Amino acid sequence: QKEVEQNSGPLSVPEGAIASLNCTYSDRGSQSFFWYRQYSGKSPELIMFIYSNGDKEDGRFTAQLNKASQYVSLLIRDSQPSDSATYLCAALPEGTSYGKLTFGQGTILTVHP
Amino acid sequence: SAVISQKPSRDICQRGTSLTIQCQVDSQVTMMFWYRQQPGQSLTLIATANQGSEATYESGFVIDKFPISRPNLTFSTLTVSNMSPEDSSIYLCSVYSDRGPSYEQYFGPGTRLTVT
Repeated sequence: QKEVEQNSGPLSVPEGAIASLNCTYSDRGSQSFFWYRQYSGKSPELIMFIYSNGDKEDGRFTAQLNKASQYVSLLIRDSQPSDSATYLCAALPEGTSYGKLTFGQGTILTVHP
Repeated sequence: SAVISQKPSRDICQRGTSLTIQCQVDSQVTMMFWYRQQPGQSLTLIATANQGSEATYESGFVIDKFPISRPNLTFSTLTVSNMSPEDSSIYLCSVYSDRGPSYEQYFGPGTRLTVT
């Protein structure tokens, strides 16, 4: 079974710190990876997608992909209390059509003032 | 990014009844997806809705329980039939946009269903 694993947390960081969220996946052939932010009672909001090894930066967010080690991470710089949410990692398994994502359980992030 | 709307946003239903959830997208898309998020859980794909063909269901989901319609390229419905409390979940419609070698996938606001 193709799986995506995340530490459920909660991960607590002080305001202004770097929050590091990690995700591993079992299907070595997975091609695309996504990070979503989900506030309580809301639907997932796409933050980043990444498909190449290395780093991808967008504002305060950096996604890192290491296909050899089968992990994906999300760094949030200068964390703000408004970043407090559940962060979902998702992968598109090899041979799977676009749209059919496998999600991790999510990591709860709390940023305290 | 695509703008997705869903109706209803929430509902409380009695066991044994059915509820139809509507999903509307602001642009034409080939495929629409229905996901479920059970309380405290992550998202699980229910089925893929293609315009002009039968929906394809993931393992553990069947058409009799979750019939889907896709009458055009911007609209789809998911029906949750003969509901039980175990069907209490958030149901999410999703679409994607091609971005060259990868793509972006978006979710609607969700329908929060409680079955009593």
